[in-house]
Amino acid sequence: GAGVSQSPRYKVAKRGQDVALRCDPISGHVSLFWYQQALGQGPEFLTYFQNEAQLDKSGLPSDRFFAERPEGSVSTLKIQRTQQEDSAVYLCASSLVARGSVGSYNEQFFGPGTRLTVL
Amino acid sequence: GENVEQHPSTLSVQEGDSAVIKCTYSDSASNYFPWYKQELGKGPQLIIDIRSNVGEKKDQRIAVTLNKTAKHFSLHITETQPEDSAVYFCAASDRAGGTSYGKLTFGQGTILTVHP
Repeated sequence: GAGVSQSPRYKVAKRGQDVALRCDPISGHVSLFWYQQALGQGPEFLTYFQNEAQLDKSGLPSDRFFAERPEGSVSTLKIQRTQQEDSAVYLCASSLVARGSVGSYNEQFFGPGTRLTVL
Repeated sequence: GENVEQHPSTLSVQEGDSAVIKCTYSDSASNYFPWYKQELGKGPQLIIDIRSNVGEKKDQRIAVTLNKTAKHFSLHITETQPEDSAVYFCAASDRAGGTSYGKLTFGQGTILTVHP
């Protein structure tokens, strides 16, 4: 595909359930970001991957949040024991370049997001 | 860490008028300032960006200005059209290079409505 895709687009979970959100970045993109966007707010950084390495997870709100990118392409964000405050749109973005690419352009291409509603 | 403030939160204009959205940032290490447009049910889409070695950049009806000293940057849309109606976000980053990987810090967003 030409862009970043995410699935599912919508997810409704009961409080306490586990969920898994998938991101398919643009082919060949080295960098992958996850952001959380609460209603009426700007996206907030969750975690960053360079290929399969998770280099920054400082934005993950709790240890219930876990992300992986085992083969350096598709990524999954998992939320365990969901709570109502986890309700948000989860955005994935990919970028061609990586850390250390001096002088490189780092446009991030965003997917459509997964809207998670926890009841 | 970086903090980005964006104003106004809502902006309503008549078709053909100009629209201006302003942002401030806190981290002097930030050197890349993109603007994103987000339509309902879609992810943010880059519309224009500016790097810290440039004071102004223009692309057709859209322009962005940057004042590094004051840590201000602004988006200007001229001759607005109804299809410009969307939520606009500014962001700041120390973009890829050296030890940075370009994490974006976003403003709170501006809902722009262009009335026909």
